[in-house]
Amino acid sequence: DQQVKQNSPSLSVQEGRISILNCDYTNSMFDYFLWYKKYPAEGPTFLISISSIKDKNEDGRFTVFLNKSAKHLSLHIVPSQPGDSAVYFCAASPIYYNQGGKLIFGQGTELSVKP
Amino acid sequence: DGGITQSPKYLFRKEGQNVTLSCEQNLNHDAMYWYRQDPGQGLRLIYYSQIVNDFQKGDIAEGYSVSREKKESFPLTVTSAQKNPTAFYLCASSMKRPNTEAFFGQGTRLTVV
Repeated sequence: DQQVKQNSPSLSVQEGRISILNCDYTNSMFDYFLWYKKYPAEGPTFLISISSIKDKNEDGRFTVFLNKSAKHLSLHIVPSQPGDSAVYFCAASPIYYNQGGKLIFGQGTELSVKP
Repeated sequence: DGGITQSPKYLFRKEGQNVTLSCEQNLNHDAMYWYRQDPGQGLRLIYYSQIVNDFQKGDIAEGYSVSREKKESFPLTVTSAQKNPTAFYLCASSMKRPNTEAFFGQGTRLTVV
């Protein structure tokens, strides 16, 4: 039972344009959501997060939107740069876990930004 | 520099052998975690520990064992009972509170030959 789903395995975008990565979840008890970026053979690095009490969080070129009624979140990267090419993982934490780090991950979306 | 160090980066094991993956952190985090990544899949939680000398099973603990004798260290042993051990293993740590991110090491690629 996949509680966090990233239905697009890959996404290709032109440099300078917007990249939109999507994530759906099924567990209504999730209250904290994160995006991680991962290069091959390396560990994931934290990118941005959002609490369920918010619907938007912005950090530089990265913005995460949360639609609780649709159980959907998205990561927007504007403008996209070739260095953004990586696998992006959506992750969620339910309120009853009561600690960070214990996360449920989606399958990942591989973003390719072409010059 | 503060961070999480995993060693070795690549590890080869013969079938039937146990192998131990090392994870050390100097971030002063109480909580540590082991995740496994398989191709085309997300990360899945193997074991986690919130405090020294205590740990709990994650979603896929069968065939694995851990210890937490020091705050800085959380080694993972992949035993011969693990049916599909070939994978990319990631260690992480975090503060022991909700709504915080986990910091990951660089990973260990384990291959059974």
